[in-house]
Amino acid sequence: QMQLQESGPGLVRPLETVSLTCTVSGDSISSYYWSWIRQPPGKGLEWIGFIYYTGSANYNPSLKSRVSISIDTSKNQFSLKLRSVTAADTAVYYCARVLVYFGQNWFAPWGQGTLVTVSS
Amino acid sequence: QSVLTQPPSMSAAPGQNVTISCSGSSSNIENNFVSWYQQVPGSAPKLLIYDNNNRPSGIPDRFSVSKSGTSVTLAITGLRTGDEADYYCGTWDDSLGTWVFGEGTKLTVL
Repeated sequence: QMQLQESGPGLVRPLETVSLTCTVSGDSISSYYWSWIRQPPGKGLEWIGFIYYTGSANYNPSLKSRVSISIDTSKNQFSLKLRSVTAADTAVYYCARVLVYFGQNWFAPWGQGTLVTVSS
Repeated sequence: QSVLTQPPSMSAAPGQNVTISCSGSSSNIENNFVSWYQQVPGSAPKLLIYDNNNRPSGIPDRFSVSKSGTSVTLAITGLRTGDEADYYCGTWDDSLGTWVFGEGTKLTVL
């Protein structure tokens, strides 16, 4: 059974870069798409971006200028970098596998999430 | 504010049935498949329904979805206390070029 686990710093200073990693176990990271999704405290879900195992990525236009997602198939991991963070980036960050079928997609499974707080 | 509109909250008693609406537009719901996610307090979201009305293994048939034009509706029959959670609809938006989620509906089972 596939499992995903996020890791990274819990606290980041404003204007710095936050780096998060998602480690996939139970299956190969190859042949799938992968995604990052975040949820500010008490609020709804926001999609950040997708990456294919080949390295091809697609980002939410609202975050595109500050986001990059990369993948390391040798480690079965993919990563998120978010630059110039502000308090508005405080959220629980989830990684998830993207299942694709005839151009349609959905997210399963999800990692347990990691809280990133932006504060000085 | 999301392009997908859900009621913020709903409540019903155990054993009753409830429907949660998700309203969008021709650039998202009408031309793309919608999936639904259940988020129990303190936990990560979990896929509930995909490809408009398919359930992953382990999701009971008490959960079903219907779609009409630019709206979809999640129906839950025979409510249980364990169904108390936040429910999110989501789909791709062709105009925005991004995946979008509804704002979520908090379901309380009284």
